[in-house]
Amino acid sequence: DSGVTQTPKHLITATGQRVTLRCSPRSGDLSVYWYQQSLDQGLQFLIQYYNGEERAKGNILERFSAQQFPDLHSELNLSSLELGDSALYFCASSGMAWEGGNEQFFGPGTRLTVL
Amino acid sequence: GENVEQHPSTLSVQEGDSAVIKCTYSDSASNYFPWYKQELGKGPQLIIDIRSNVGEKKDQRIAVTLNKTAKHFSLHITETQPEDSAVYFCAALSFGNEKLTFGTGTRLTIIP
Repeated sequence: DSGVTQTPKHLITATGQRVTLRCSPRSGDLSVYWYQQSLDQGLQFLIQYYNGEERAKGNILERFSAQQFPDLHSELNLSSLELGDSALYFCASSGMAWEGGNEQFFGPGTRLTVL
Repeated sequence: GENVEQHPSTLSVQEGDSAVIKCTYSDSASNYFPWYKQELGKGPQLIIDIRSNVGEKKDQRIAVTLNKTAKHFSLHITETQPEDSAVYFCAALSFGNEKLTFGTGTRLTIIP
């Protein structure tokens, strides 16, 4: 158990809909990262938040957005869903971002299926 | 940006033998190289990592080596056991940029 929790575990929805994925980092971790894992793209970095502020952005679609709240939990919002958005979405957390190269610990993931 | 290549994509090893997975990276500024193990239905689990100021690191049956000049690093698993069967991912990260770039994964199967 990494200490990172994600809800829900599974999500099935229809095209065009909007969903919210939730992540709680390990106790004391200030950084939260979101990754997408699909069969053809592997593990892809989406976005990082550090202590409530956006810190880095990967290939995140404009239809996707995220935020980190004062209690450090994070939410990833996916809107106007398409079939191709079906994937596993992982959240990871780590310590002080400015130390660089800190271990990232992954949650169990949310499996999103868009029908 | 960083590009990480990982080989092989699949690997079958007899129980008790050793397994080696290799990765190369493109960004010479990368200085942190973790390895993750992912079992079916679970998130990636950090199993070992190495920083650029070290050439080798060992943790029981698992070791990682880093060649900064050649920009490649490898995972070595000795005395393999059935529970080592999983998908293994290498990754690279450069200081000041906390974005991990992952390799494409290696599916390791241990044959009893």
